Amino acid sequence: DQQVKQNSPSLSVQEGRISILNCDYTNSMFDYFLWYKKYPAEGPTFLISISSIKDKNEDGRFTVFLNKSAKHLSLHIVPSQPGDSAVYFCAASGSTGNQFYFGTGTSLTVIP
Amino acid sequence: DAGVIQSPRHEVTEMGQEVTLRCKPISGHNSLFWYRQTMMRGLELLIYFNNNVPIDDSGMPEDRFSAKMPNASFSTLKIQPSEPRDSAVYFCASSLEGLPFYEQYFGPGTRLTVT
Repeated sequence: DQQVKQNSPSLSVQEGRISILNCDYTNSMFDYFLWYKKYPAEGPTFLISISSIKDKNEDGRFTVFLNKSAKHLSLHIVPSQPGDSAVYFCAASGSTGNQFYFGTGTSLTVIP
Repeated sequence: DAGVIQSPRHEVTEMGQEVTLRCKPISGHNSLFWYRQTMMRGLELLIYFNNNVPIDDSGMPEDRFSAKMPNASFSTLKIQPSEPRDSAVYFCASSLEGLPFYEQYFGPGTRLTVT
């Protein structure tokens, strides 16, 4: 039933190292993928996105990779900083409409 | 701009009571979304409005849930009667049609606890 899955509920990484957050999806009709970041007591905020016509999108320390054949995407944060500690949600959407399908989130802790 | 405003921030109520959550979208935005966040299912879209009209309410879990948008600056999500399994964080988000649709701006959420 869950069309977007984040199988790791939590991840701890040392400051300065790479954080890799993973996401799998089931619907091959999805053509737009996003990552949102959420701090405690705040709403999610948009972080980075990728279209299905690409396999990589980079924005500063954040890179999203898309593997369409495996229906898998990942978010890389390099180098990780303590301020990156948050819950990260993966989301997917089709080409029409406003509907996002969100994953359950991965809580990232970056240890100073 | 103040961003999306939600009230109350926390709500504790007893099973069977009516609960009303409120949202004020960003001024000028014409799409509004209600989400529910749970540990098991993550963020689920409950309903969304475009120009105050409900477009898709297929995510509304059951008849106990209802949502209204009487004008462009206000929306409510009502649960009547509430049940313990409704305990979750409810988010409202807004966006402007024509912008990339991923640019949804979320409010801080309402944490609902039904005992």
